[in-house]
Amino acid sequence: EADIYQTPRYLVIGTGKKITLECSQTMGHDKMYWYQQDPGMELHLIHYSYGVNSTEKGDLSSESTVSRIRTEHFPLTLESARPSHTSQYLCASSGQTSRSYNEQFFGPGTRLTVL
Amino acid sequence: AQSVSQHNHHVILSEAASLELGCNYSYGGTVNLFWYVQYPGQHLQLLLKYFSGDPLVKGIKGFEAEFIKSKFSFNLRKPSVQWSDTAEYFCAVIAAAGNMLTFGGGTRLMVKP
Repeated sequence: EADIYQTPRYLVIGTGKKITLECSQTMGHDKMYWYQQDPGMELHLIHYSYGVNSTEKGDLSSESTVSRIRTEHFPLTLESARPSHTSQYLCASSGQTSRSYNEQFFGPGTRLTVL
Repeated sequence: AQSVSQHNHHVILSEAASLELGCNYSYGGTVNLFWYVQYPGQHLQLLLKYFSGDPLVKGIKGFEAEFIKSKFSFNLRKPSVQWSDTAEYFCAVIAAAGNMLTFGGGTRLMVKP
């Protein structure tokens, strides 16, 4: 079944560690996105990609980096995690439909806590 | 740049009550509009969407929304809520030719049995 996957679902880690949040989709979509969502707050776009080897920063500045080496895979990396990075990270994808590119499908999210 | 405003941050209703959640956006051009729902412990799901045509759109689980262009609004409605509608609801907008989906702050709905 076509879907979008994120691992891990929950991560508790110490300050200074390098972490990679995984996102994969089997929907054949070429656009992928990372959002950051603090509890009870709105979603903010931090990175997006139009396709392989394409990455752009979103409207919220983030110390994380992303890569898009394969269409289906869009990992997010924090080189040195800090408590200020504690948040929920949501991955999404969108693709060409008969009407629009603009409907996004979301993964289950990764809830990150940095101690 | 576009922005989205959801007026109610928290709403508490009893079962069978009617629901209306407000959503206003600021953008002068053609937009695509969405309502997403996030049930407790689950990921964001699309509730309904508007691209063009009939401004009254129907979504899943008995929800509907009306696009009123003159008011820049896309309010979500349901005639009779159920306990299972307890969730957080997000309105989102993207310029039709754009590439960034902008979300509102969300409305947390609690339905009392």
